[in-house]
This record gives sequence, structure tokens and C-alpha cells, in this order.
Amino acid sequence: DTEVTQTPKHLVMGMTNKKSLKCEQHMGHRAMYWYKQKAKKPPELMFVYSYEKLSINESVPSRFSPECPNSSLLNLHLHALQPEDSALYLCASSPTGRGWEDTQYFGPGTRLTVL
Amino acid sequence: GEDVEQSLFLSVREGDSSVINCTYTDSSSTYLYWYKQEPGAGLQLLTYIFSNMDMKQDQRLTVLLNKKDKHLSLRIADTQTGDSAIYFCAETLSGAGSYQLTFGKGTKLSVIP
Repeated sequence: DTEVTQTPKHLVMGMTNKKSLKCEQHMGHRAMYWYKQKAKKPPELMFVYSYEKLSINESVPSRFSPECPNSSLLNLHLHALQPEDSALYLCASSPTGRGWEDTQYFGPGTRLTVL
Repeated sequence: GEDVEQSLFLSVREGDSSVINCTYTDSSSTYLYWYKQEPGAGLQLLTYIFSNMDMKQDQRLTVLLNKKDKHLSLRIADTQTGDSAIYFCAETLSGAGSYQLTFGKGTKLSVIP
């Protein structure tokens, strides 16, 4: 089973709302990732958690707040977003987050629209 | 500049072979990946190759690696309409004790029935 699940599939929110994106994997992977993908662009890395610790934050604005409650779950809390934050948010996981052979598996994404 | 480069578009007829090309710049040992993304969907891992290999075949997919020229290609035999998607080439780069994917801009494959 190489499945990463994400909820919700679609999310529409206003600029004053607070919402959360959820990601789950049951492959025993210890690294999880958030990416942002704009239309017709490749994914851009936002955050990396390795062994439940935040190891990479790619200078993402504080209105995005990641959380890793346990090794299977990854959340992205959203607050006071801007319309330009509208994008497809992809979650991925990999066995360790370390090592050349650490292959990432992606979820289906959450399509976020900020009004 | 871009670490991973791909042509943006490819159009082929159903039943023909497709060849999607990619060049990368990192000269150290690395893994190279091909991901497929259908409209509105996430990225599906298709295949990957370690940089000490020349070729890898998996059913209709053949990956060729020319390490000297830092050139990677993905060949899809007997291309079907279901193969229409964007194909991303990616390489693993190291930094800060972790290994991150660097993606090309993606090649949009259109299959003509």
C-alpha cells in the first residue's frame, strides 16, 4: 500500500477564516512533506517533518502553520490567507527523509481557493 | 537557473512511442524520478533510477540515463489516451542533512486518438 490520503479534496475559505488541511499515511514512513503547486508549475516545497520534528521550513509565511501530531498524520493550519495562496496543496511521505533512496509518495492534494 | 530542465510540450499519436527528455545539473550521485500528474490530481510515482544505472524497464516504461551528458529520458511504448498528463522529472539533492526533490517544470503529453 503506497497511499497517502488528504482531506478535504476542495476547500473554499475567506481571508479571515481559520481552516486545516489533513494528511495521513499508514506506510510506516517517518518523513512527511507539504508542497504548494500553482497552475502549470511544479510543486514547491513548504515544510518537511522527519521523525515528527520540523526539519525544513522553506521561508513560508506564518499564516501557514504545520503540525505533526504523530508519525502517520500531518496537518497544515491556515489563517488569514491571501487570494494568492489559492493553489493545490500536496502532501507526501517517504521512509526516512534521509538518504538518496528515500522515495516520496504523494497524496491527491487539496484544491484551496481563497476569496 | 533551473537545476532540472524539460521541454514543455509533446504531442504523439495513440499507439506510437513517446519520449520525454530531461537534463539535470547535479554531478553527485543521486536518484532521478519520473512522476505523472493528471489534471486536478496529485503526483503519481512512475519509476526511478539511481545514477549508476544506464537503463531501467518496467512494462511500457523505459528510462534511459546518460550520466556523462546528465540526460534522462522516459519512453512510453504504445502510448494510450490515458497517458495524457504532465510528466515531471525530479532529482534528489542533498542539503542540511536531508534529501529534497528538485522538479523540472513538467512536460505536458497530449495523445491524439
